[in-house]
Amino acid sequence: QVQLVQSESELKKPGASVKVSCRASGYTLSHYAINWVRQAPGQGLEWMGWINTNTGKPSYAQGFTGRFVFSFDTAVNTAYLHVTSLNADDTGVYYCAREDCTTTSCFWPFWGQGTLVTVSS
Amino acid sequence: QSVLTQPPSVSGAPGQRVSISCSGSESNVGRNTVSWYQQFPGTAPKVLIFGDDKRPSGVPDRFSGSKSGTSASLATSGLQSDDEADYYCAAWDDSLNVWVFGGGTKLTVL
Repeated sequence: QVQLVQSESELKKPGASVKVSCRASGYTLSHYAINWVRQAPGQGLEWMGWINTNTGKPSYAQGFTGRFVFSFDTAVNTAYLHVTSLNADDTGVYYCAREDCTTTSCFWPFWGQGTLVTVSS
Repeated sequence: QSVLTQPPSVSGAPGQRVSISCSGSESNVGRNTVSWYQQFPGTAPKVLIFGDDKRPSGVPDRFSGSKSGTSASLATSGLQSDDEADYYCAAWDDSLNVWVFGGGTKLTVL
């Protein structure tokens, strides 16, 4: 069955970097786009962007440019989110989600379990 | 400020029917389909509705979605205590070229 398994929680100091992994099983990563979503503590869902795992082209939402990088490695069927120069506002749970599309709509039926990134000195 | 507008909270008694609204604009809800996600505390969101009104397999038919113009709605009938969760609507915005979410609605079963 399809699963997205993310890496464990991280505690980082301001200015540090973090790399969150999202390992896909039950399907080939390159067949479906991966979206990234952030949820700050007590807040709603915020779309960060997505990566086309066929062409490798990423697209970033406003507010997630510069310090955020989406990548993937087909050899290990895993997508990655790399965040640099972390600050307290980056604290939150980061989710990866597979995007499925029909002829008329796209949606996210499969999500990782989420990775809590805490930025604190 | 979320691009899609949802009420912060709704409530209902067990067995009742409640609806959650999602208001957007022509560039998102108006021209593109809406999906709805249910999220329990500490867990990942789960899709309940996609394509405005379609249920993935395994989602009870107590959940239904509809859309008219630039507003969409998620209805839950036969309310159960297990339905207490946060609910989010989402749509692609083809003017901004981004996915947009509603701010989320907390459903309380009285």
